[in-house]
Amino acid sequence: EPEVTQTPSHQVTQMGQEVILRCVPISNHLYFYWYRQILGQKVEFLVSFYNNEISEKSEIFDDQFSVERPDGSNFTLKIRSTKLEDSAMYFCASSGYSQETQYFGPGTRLLVL
Amino acid sequence: QQQVKQSPQSLIVQKGGISIINCAYENTAFDYFPWYQQFPGKGPALLIAIRPDVSEKKEGRFTISFNKSAKQFSLHIMDSQPGDSATYFCAASSYNTDKLIFGTGTRLQVFP
Repeated sequence: EPEVTQTPSHQVTQMGQEVILRCVPISNHLYFYWYRQILGQKVEFLVSFYNNEISEKSEIFDDQFSVERPDGSNFTLKIRSTKLEDSAMYFCASSGYSQETQYFGPGTRLLVL
Repeated sequence: QQQVKQSPQSLIVQKGGISIINCAYENTAFDYFPWYQQFPGKGPALLIAIRPDVSEKKEGRFTISFNKSAKQFSLHIMDSQPGDSATYFCAASSYNTDKLIFGTGTRLQVFP
């Protein structure tokens, strides 16, 4: 069964450093998403991406965040200058059509020290 | 308006019992209501979903009940099994957006 994969599974970084989280969505999917989950809290939407551009972003997704689909398979989330409060589990998701099932990856646990 | 309220926060059920998790929303533009199951260290996985044109949807031991007038929906897990022990999230999205608004989650523990 096709699945969304994410790398790395864990990342530890120093405050102020840049991090890039990588995702490989399901191959024929067209809609891509990033969500995050702070430990013990609910899953929060960050951004959606379709047709090589951001279709929607949340208030959390400020100028420190960016997304890119650099080739036909990868989807990345970049945090330019990490803050302590960016520590969370980051989930990538993809769907084949708008408003259809979103399939989530296993997540990247980011710890900012 | 964008919130989805979920209860209870945690639930302990005996094997074979019925687990019931409730969610409520305010935004009448919501028209897609999925339930996700999450095991520790894993991403959320879609369990079952409903749209407001039906009041109930059943898939195996899992049933969503939907009350449009009350703006509430619930997940029923019949014959609960220890393997069902996980965190369950309700979610909602509206016709003009793909973003899922998640509830706060319910940690279900099923004891043998």
